[in-house]
Amino acid sequence: AQKITQTQPGMFVQEKEAVTLDCTYDTSDQSYGLFWYKQPSSGEMIFLIYQGSYDEQNATEGRYSLNFQKARKSANLVISASQLGDSAMYFCAMREGRPYNQGGKLIFGQGTELSVKP
Amino acid sequence: SAVISQKPSRDICQRGTSLTIQCQVDSQVTMMFWYRQQPGQSLTLIATANQGSEATYESGFVIDKFPISRPNLTFSTLTVSNMSPEDSSIYLCSAEPQGHEQFFGPGTRLTVL
Repeated sequence: AQKITQTQPGMFVQEKEAVTLDCTYDTSDQSYGLFWYKQPSSGEMIFLIYQGSYDEQNATEGRYSLNFQKARKSANLVISASQLGDSAMYFCAMREGRPYNQGGKLIFGQGTELSVKP
Repeated sequence: SAVISQKPSRDICQRGTSLTIQCQVDSQVTMMFWYRQQPGQSLTLIATANQGSEATYESGFVIDKFPISRPNLTFSTLTVSNMSPEDSSIYLCSAEPQGHEQFFGPGTRLTVL
């Protein structure tokens, strides 16, 4: 069964506008962690933001925020004020099966390719 | 954050040969992870490497094909053995130096001819 679902294979956004990338997840664990990564064409995986299942507030890191809706099992990434350098593949990932503040394998979604237009 | 390096960054290999990929973390970590990303696909975990014990492999990956070493708390290697064109992928290692963020190395782009 698909654990992480990213329904938007590709997205376009105008420079300086905000964009939301969707991610839904499926788990029966109470403790889990949700991650977003950016992968530019160079192939490296850049950590953007993390949300723990017990965190009451939505995570924010600069222009990135995670809209965490636990009941809906969604963890959407919001990028504010898009920049040309934001053009990349974005992956949502989940870690389950362990206390969320300890190490464990990540399960990735299929990714969303974001293109920022000038 | 953590600095994770990988060598080589890319390689082109002949079928039937083996390639060993090195991963170095700038701090001690308990677990290191090896992922594969086939062209146009997402990341799939190959195995988890703990220092002092055998690696734990995910379904579909076997030790004979992907032997892993973990000699100390900052270093690991992944070998891709008896390569075929289907092994052409990006191979990435990752670790969690502290807290919950999992950081990745820059990846190794492997092309098998």
